[in-house]
Parts: sequence; structure tokens; C-alpha cells
Amino acid sequence: EVQLVESGGGLVQSGGSLRLSCAASGFTFSDYWMSWVRQAPGKGLEWVANIKQDGSEKYYVDSVKGRFTISRDKAKNSLYLQMNSLRAEDTAVYYCARDIVVVSVAIYFDYWGQGTLVTVSS
Amino acid sequence: EIVMTQSPATLSVSPGERATLSCRASQSVSSNLAWYQQKPGQAPRLLIYGASTRATGIPARFSGSGSGTEFTLTISSLQSEDFAVYCCQQYYNWPLAFGQGTKVEIK
Repeated sequence: EVQLVESGGGLVQSGGSLRLSCAASGFTFSDYWMSWVRQAPGKGLEWVANIKQDGSEKYYVDSVKGRFTISRDKAKNSLYLQMNSLRAEDTAVYYCARDIVVVSVAIYFDYWGQGTLVTVSS
Repeated sequence: EIVMTQSPATLSVSPGERATLSCRASQSVSSNLAWYQQKPGQAPRLLIYGASTRATGIPARFSGSGSGTEFTLTISSLQSEDFAVYCCQQYYNWPLAFGQGTKVEIK
């Protein structure tokens, strides 16, 4: 059974940092691109970042470029999101998701975690 | 940037009835559309990809149709576990875009 379990969320002041983790199990982690997707309170889902199987390619939504860093650890079957210079607008539930890459940028998500809440106070 | 618009925002349906949800793209996304189900505190669940292909383990009462800019998710006979929020996502172009969701509630 595929499982994705996020952790690391919490309350942080504006300008602060947090590191989110996602523990993956039930599949060959190194075979898949992986993403972080977030959902602000009362809003729709927003893709944040993704990373290639070997970590050699990483992509970000414009609003987090230069502040967030996605990474992965094959040995630990884990995905990470280092979030620096946090802003109030980063407040959201952050989901870890497994990518299905149809071709190039055509990506949807076949498994998701339950999410971890990040609250940035101003 | 493609904008996804879902309607209605809330749909009130009685158990056993049919629910029809709409998703519209601001420009053509071909058949590169997915539907997800969200329940509070749970992981989102992939229902449909390629506009009309059910994901693994998804019951046949869920069906997707459409192409280009107009898409529909139909739940043929609502079960108690189907009351949730449903959102669509285009994966034709970058950036990926999700709709705001349709909440299906018990009438």
C-alpha cells in the first residue's frame, strides 16, 4: 500500500524557517518524481515544487523561488521542503504527492499524503 | 496561464441521486484533466485522469467526460462516502492549475 506521511508543520513567525518531511513507503521511491502541493485556508490547491527521481531537476512555482528548496533522500525514502523567509501567504496545508508524468510538464498526482499545516504569523 | 473554474460551488444531493459537476478551462487543455476527491483531514484521492479514465480502485459510479475546455464529473448514485469536495486539475500546460472545488453535500 502506498503511503505518504508528512511532518514538520507548525506555527512560525514571518521571516522564519521550517523544514517539512514526507516519509514514503509501499512503492519504489526512486522511480518517481515527487511534488509538494499546498492549500491555503478556503482556497484551491496550488502546486509548489517537484523533483526528479535522482534529484537532478527541480522546479518551483514563481512565488516560492529563491525561498523554498525541495530535496529527497533515496536511502531514507523521504522528500523534504526547506522553507525560508516565510510569509503570511505561505500559510497552508502542505501535501506531499507522487507525480505521474505523462510527458514533459504534463503531471498529475496519483497518491497524496494527509498534509501538514504551516501557519505563518505576521 | 490557464484558469480552471468549477461550478457549482456547492451541490446539494440526496443519497442515491445523480450528481453532475462541471469544470471549465480558460483555454483548451485537450484531455489533460484530472479529478480529485478531498475529505477533511484525509489525503486527496485521484479519481479520474485523462478526462475520462478511472484511477485504480475507483468505483464505476464515478465517470468523467469532456475535452478541450468543458469537462464533467458524474457520480451516478451518491453513496454516503461520496459527500466531499471535488476538484479538477489541468496538466496540459505550465503552471499546473487546479479548480477551486465543488462541495457535494447531503440534501
